Amino acid sequence: GQNIDQPTEMTATEGAIVQINCTYQTSGFNGLFWYQQHAGEAPTFLSYNVLDGLEEKGRFSSFLSRSKGYSYLLLKELQMKDSASYLCAVRDLIRNAGNMLTFGGGTRLMVKP
Amino acid sequence: GAVVSQHPSRVICKSGTSVKIECRSLDFQATTMFWYRQFPKQSLMLMATSNEGSKATYEQGVEKDKFLINHASLTLSTLTVTSAHPEDSSFYICSARGTESNIQYFGAGTRLSVL
Repeated sequence: GQNIDQPTEMTATEGAIVQINCTYQTSGFNGLFWYQQHAGEAPTFLSYNVLDGLEEKGRFSSFLSRSKGYSYLLLKELQMKDSASYLCAVRDLIRNAGNMLTFGGGTRLMVKP
Repeated sequence: GAVVSQHPSRVICKSGTSVKIECRSLDFQATTMFWYRQFPKQSLMLMATSNEGSKATYEQGVEKDKFLINHASLTLSTLTVTSAHPEDSSFYICSARGTESNIQYFGAGTRLSVL
């Protein structure tokens, strides 16, 4: 089976940096995704990692270590609009021919002034 | 990024009626579409995977006769909640994945309230 763990809630200050961690266990790892979801809305794609290392995209960066089953999403220069849930999702080659994603519980980030 | 349109965004219906939700990929062909359900403050739970031209694959515990899925073309999948009951009230979200992409793009979701 798959286990995807991420903190339930985090709080950070506007302008600061926050790191959201995600650990996973899977049989046939084939990529890790981060999505942002505002309350009552659908998730929007943030990043995709399949090889080890850091992927940077503006204020958001995502890191992956396959040997450790670990990823993090780094948000810099936090803005109030970054208050949302951040979902870590893993794609597994073995499940459903590698088509499906399994989502973690999501981390609700609150940015305070 | 790719655009996925989901309609309607909100439905309120009486218990016992059926509700159809449409999911369209607007600027790409989606060989695979996914249907999720999300309860308040919980993560997305995959209900079924829909492949164009074949039967949907349902996750364990999801009744296929209750949640009918039709993937009629490379740009359209529909989910019909048959004989809806109050416990079916939830946020239903579709996503689509193109033939040459690893990324799933999500529709805006449908909030279903069954009275």
